[in-house]
Amino acid sequence: AQTVTQSQPEMSVQEAETVTLSCTYDTSESDYYLFWYKQPPSRQMILVIRQEAYKQQNATENRFSVNFQKAAKSFSLKISDSQLGDAAMYFCALRGAYKYIFGTGTRLKVLA
Amino acid sequence: DGGITQSPKYLFRKEGQNVTLSCEQNLNHDAMYWYRQDPGQGLRLIYYSQIVNDFQKGDIAEGYSVSREKKESFPLTVTSAQKNPTAFYLCASSQRPSYNEQFFGPGTRLTVL
Repeated sequence: AQTVTQSQPEMSVQEAETVTLSCTYDTSESDYYLFWYKQPPSRQMILVIRQEAYKQQNATENRFSVNFQKAAKSFSLKISDSQLGDAAMYFCALRGAYKYIFGTGTRLKVLA
Repeated sequence: DGGITQSPKYLFRKEGQNVTLSCEQNLNHDAMYWYRQDPGQGLRLIYYSQIVNDFQKGDIAEGYSVSREKKESFPLTVTSAQKNPTAFYLCASSQRPSYNEQFFGPGTRLTVL
């Protein structure tokens, strides 16, 4: 069975600071993708970043980057220079064969 | 603009009534999905379809039904057999064969009175 675990229900960060959200997963598949999605108060799910398991290089999208540790099955999201607009629920997701498994989410608060 | 439409945004129904949630996409995606979102539980998969006229149960399919008669449409019916139907429902789609990412609709908030 595939699982995704987000152990931090809520995090806070000061504006302009850096924060890291944790995610661990488990899968027996060799080919898989990992994602971080953002869900702002509007509840629209927005893709933040994607990582292919076969790529060793960590993905980066502007202020967002991941630390992908395949052996440890860890996939954390780092947000640099945090902005008020980053406040949202963040979901880690694993794509295996045809299905996506989501974690329970981390609520990120950004303090002005 | 390409995207996924879900209607209505808010839906109220009396207990014991079936209700159908609409999901339409013009992204030409083969695969479509329905999720239920409850506080503290993330997104749970109800049903998914990889191709027209075919669909599979997800993790919490009991009390729900779907159809996939057209590529662009994947309606979800919440039946009276669903014990606790009040929730936020999200529809998503992705493209075979890579399934690189899912695109989501804006969601429907269903409240059963």
